[in-house]
Amino acid sequence: QVQLVQSGAEMKKPGASVKISCKASGYSLTNYYMHWVRQAPGQGPEWMGIINLGDNIASYAEKFRGRVTMSGDTSTNTAFMELRSLKTEDTAVYYCTRDGPIKFDRWGQGTLVTVSS
Amino acid sequence: SYELRQSPSVSVSPGQTATISCSGDVLSRRSASWFQQKTGQAPVLVIYKETERPSGIPERFSGSISGTTVTLTISGVQADDEADYYCQSTDNSGASFIFGGGTKLTVL
Repeated sequence: QVQLVQSGAEMKKPGASVKISCKASGYSLTNYYMHWVRQAPGQGPEWMGIINLGDNIASYAEKFRGRVTMSGDTSTNTAFMELRSLKTEDTAVYYCTRDGPIKFDRWGQGTLVTVSS
Repeated sequence: SYELRQSPSVSVSPGQTATISCSGDVLSRRSASWFQQKTGQAPVLVIYKETERPSGIPERFSGSISGTTVTLTISGVQADDEADYYCQSTDNSGASFIFGGGTKLTVL
């Protein structure tokens, strides 16, 4: 069955970078786009961007442009999201979620990123 | 900017019907979805394209649209339905995705 399994929790200092992985099983990454969405504590979801893993072309939310890079490795069926120049406000759970004929139909379990000095 | 507005909370007794609304100008032009999120879990899609239900979602979850408001209706509410519910749509171009602020459903 379709599953998205994300990498584990991360603790980072302000100014550092974090790279989260999202391994897909049960389907080929190249057949679907992938969104990344984050959710700060007590807040609603916030869309970060989307990537076509067939050609690695991504589109990012204006808020994150210049600080985020989404990518994929088709050989391991894994998507990645890197966020740089971390601030304490970036503390959140980060999710990968699939985009196909039905958008956001499958989600990873989430990766908690804590940014603290 | 594009905004989706939801009431912060709704409370119903078991067996009753819960209605959760989401309003925004873009909803008259762009498709909407609903997500259920239980504490500590990832969101789960319960309605897409305003009225469609993904496989595996109980029939008591239904969606509707009127003008610039979409509504999620849960009939015969169960204790297990207690969760946060978020609506989602896009901006006018369809290139950027937005979420409502969420409605906390409490089952009394």
